[in-house]
This record gives sequence, structure tokens and C-alpha cells, in this order.
Amino acid sequence: EVQLVESGGGLVQPGGSLRLSCAASGFTFSSYWMHWVRQPPGKGLVWVSRINGDGFSIAYADSVKGRFTISRDNAKNTLYLQMNSLGVEDTAVYYCARVGRDLQFDPWGQGTLVTVSS
Amino acid sequence: QSVLTQPPSVSAAPGQKVTISCSGSSSNIGNNYVSWYQQLPGTAPKLLIYDNNKRPSGIPDRFSGSKSGTSGTLGITGLQTGDEADYYCGTWDSSLSAVVFGGGTKLTVL
Repeated sequence: EVQLVESGGGLVQPGGSLRLSCAASGFTFSSYWMHWVRQPPGKGLVWVSRINGDGFSIAYADSVKGRFTISRDNAKNTLYLQMNSLGVEDTAVYYCARVGRDLQFDPWGQGTLVTVSS
Repeated sequence: QSVLTQPPSVSAAPGQKVTISCSGSSSNIGNNYVSWYQQLPGTAPKLLIYDNNKRPSGIPDRFSGSKSGTSGTLGITGLQTGDEADYYCGTWDSSLSAVVFGGGTKLTVL
């Protein structure tokens, strides 16, 4: 069974840092692009970042560029999102997703909540 | 404000049919595939439709997708109370070099 499990969310003060992890299983992790998408409370989906299978092609949404870093460890089948200089606007549930050739997001992890508050 | 425009809400009675629109531009829907996602309350999104009109295995044929020009449409027939959820469209935007999603549509089955 293809599965993605996020971890690392929590409460952090403005200006702080957090690292999210996404553990993958049930598929050849290194063969897939992986993305992060976030969902602020009560709002819609917002794309955050993507990384290709070997980790050498990376892109970010403008809202997180320079603050967030996506990476992956194919030996550990794990995707990461390092988040620095967090602001209240970064409060959201963060989802990782495996993405297919035609940009279909499938599956999604269960999400991990990041709350930025003093 | 989302790049892709969806109606905030739609509603219909059990057994009826509903369509949800997703309007974009030539930089996104006009030249890229559209996907649709279902998000049941308190859960993660789930892929319903990809490549404009293809269903992943396990998705019933009550769900369908289409695309015309710069708009995509999700159709749901034989509505069930279990279909009550938020529905999102998504695609690539070549001008933004980013994935974009619609603002979401809340489906109520009356």
C-alpha cells in the first residue's frame, strides 16, 4: 500500500524554525516528484514546494522562497521541509504528496499542523 | 484570491447531478491538464480526476471530468450524502511556474 506519513508539526513562535518530515512507503520513492501543499485553517489548498526524484530540481512558491528548504533522502524514503523565519501567515496543515507525470497529486499524507503564535 | 476560480458552494438533492466549474486562463488550464480532488471533512485531499477526465482506480464512474478551453468541469451523478465535501481543481501555471489550485467548492447534499 502506498503511504505517506508526515510528522514534525507543532507550535512555534514567530521567527522560529521547524522541520517537517514525510515518510514514504509502498512505492519506489526515488522515482517520483514530491510536493508540499499547505492549507490554512478554514481555507483552501496552497502549493508550497516541489522536488524531483534525485533532488536536483527544486521550486518554491514565492511566499516561502528564501525561508523554506525542501529536500529528500532517498535512502530513508523521506521528504523534508525545513521552515525558517516563520510568520503567523505560515500557520496551516502541511501535506506532502506524491505527484505523477501529469501533475496528479496521489496520494496525500494525513497532514501535520504547524501553528505559529506567540 | 485563487488563480483558478470555483464557485464557493453548490447543492443538490440525493440522487441528483451536480457540476462544479473551474475557470482559468491560457497560462494554466488552457495548456495543461486539470486534476480534481475531494476533501471530506477533517481528512486529507484525495485524487478524483486527473488528465482532465481520467479516474484513478477505485473512483466510481459517478465522478467525471471534462475540459473546454480555459475551464474544467467536475460532474457528480447519483449524489449521496457521503459526497458532501470540499472539491478542488488544480493544474500547472506556466506564467507563475507554480502549481495552482482553485479556491474550493463546498458540496452540500440536501
